[in-house]
Amino acid sequence: IAGITQAPTSQILAAGRRMTLRCTQDMRHNAMYWYRQDLGLGLRLIHYSNTAGTTGKGEVPDGYSVSRANTDDFPLTLASAVPSQTSVYFCASSMGVSSYNEQFFGPGTRLTVL
Amino acid sequence: GQNIDQPTEMTATEGAIVQINCTYQTSGFNGLFWYQQHAGEAPTFLSYNVLDGLEEKGRFSSFLSRSKGYSYLLLKELQMKDSASYLCAVIDSNYQLIWGAGTKLIIKP
Repeated sequence: IAGITQAPTSQILAAGRRMTLRCTQDMRHNAMYWYRQDLGLGLRLIHYSNTAGTTGKGEVPDGYSVSRANTDDFPLTLASAVPSQTSVYFCASSMGVSSYNEQFFGPGTRLTVL
Repeated sequence: GQNIDQPTEMTATEGAIVQINCTYQTSGFNGLFWYQQHAGEAPTFLSYNVLDGLEEKGRFSSFLSRSKGYSYLLLKELQMKDSASYLCAVIDSNYQLIWGAGTKLIIKP
């Protein structure tokens, strides 16, 4: 693994189903993030984790949950998917939280909820 | 509230120069990033400004004026591969990245 990987690449999901998007990084970055990107709205932060064992809510956290059991993994769970959660989801990581907070992005997961 | 404004779309000609503007109003300022995002791909880092002035990196330059809440990305000698969206993002007082909606740049031959 080099950088950040996400799985699955794309998924079609029935409304009401539970879904976990996976994210793994091998850069030993402390901070990780989940964004959704919708046309015309740019990147919106869902949840973040500044370090393993801690998580925080971003701009649009409702309907999503995260965990950060270790440094490398940061899964995002949709407990009961709804059509408004149709989006492209990006996981990102950075060395830490500071004034230089360059974020590195995974390739994204395209999720469609029907 | 926090706000970052960029033009939605711009068109330029191959070989020309284009300037993409970004204005921001955020709770604090700890730096500004420009990212490039090709269609269907992830954003990738282009530049970082924390002090006023111009940062040059090859064909790309980025300028910052903190007093005006303003930045621009300057792309010279445009190539077809520069067709992409360009995202402006500001680090606020909580060290969170606040993202603009992006500017879609279309390059015509």
